[in-house]
Amino acid sequence: GQQLNQSPQSMFIQEGEDVSMNCTSSSIFNTWLWYKQDPGEGPVLLIALYKAGELTSNGRLTAQFGITRKDSFLNISASIPSDVGIYFCAGLPQGGSEKLVFGKGTKLTVNP
Amino acid sequence: DVKVTQSSRYLVKRTGEKVFLECVQDMDHENMFWYRQDPGLGLRLIYFSYDVKMKEKGDIPEGYSVSREKKERFSLILESASTNQTSMYLCASSAPRVGAYEQYFGPGTRLTVT
Repeated sequence: GQQLNQSPQSMFIQEGEDVSMNCTSSSIFNTWLWYKQDPGEGPVLLIALYKAGELTSNGRLTAQFGITRKDSFLNISASIPSDVGIYFCAGLPQGGSEKLVFGKGTKLTVNP
Repeated sequence: DVKVTQSSRYLVKRTGEKVFLECVQDMDHENMFWYRQDPGLGLRLIYFSYDVKMKEKGDIPEGYSVSREKKERFSLILESASTNQTSMYLCASSAPRVGAYEQYFGPGTRLTVT
């Protein structure tokens, strides 16, 4: 079945640094989503992408839908301590399914 | 804003008990989902429903059942709880009929089975 490879698994950065993470697959996806999950909470939707090549921003977050439709990237600029958490990518595979495929997550630690 | 609520944040049950986890969404979404989340395994789909009284098995349905009697409410049932069902349970909803496939999650229920 479809799988999403999310990398890196974890990141330790200093406050103020920029962050980049990505999700790749061997399959084509029609939709890419990025979520953030704080400890003990449910994932919160950050950005939704629906078109190949689409670049969308939400404050300091920017995400892109890869042109090949097999990958997506999330960038966080000028990180702050409250950016700490686990970031998940999710994709809707080509083929009519309404079930998302999720990456395993990138755990972000920001040192003040 | 979309709101998905779950009946309990924390639950402790004994092995063999029947457990009900309730989820309610207030945005008239057609689709509702139940996932469990375990360290190292990510989010795994248990069941989903695309309409009232309709349900489909996800990737790990064994030991679980679901009920959707009303559009806004989706219940997950553990018929006889076992220790390997200790996990974080997440409910989500989406509105594919308007082309919106993004899922909105509830806060989660941390279930411990002893």
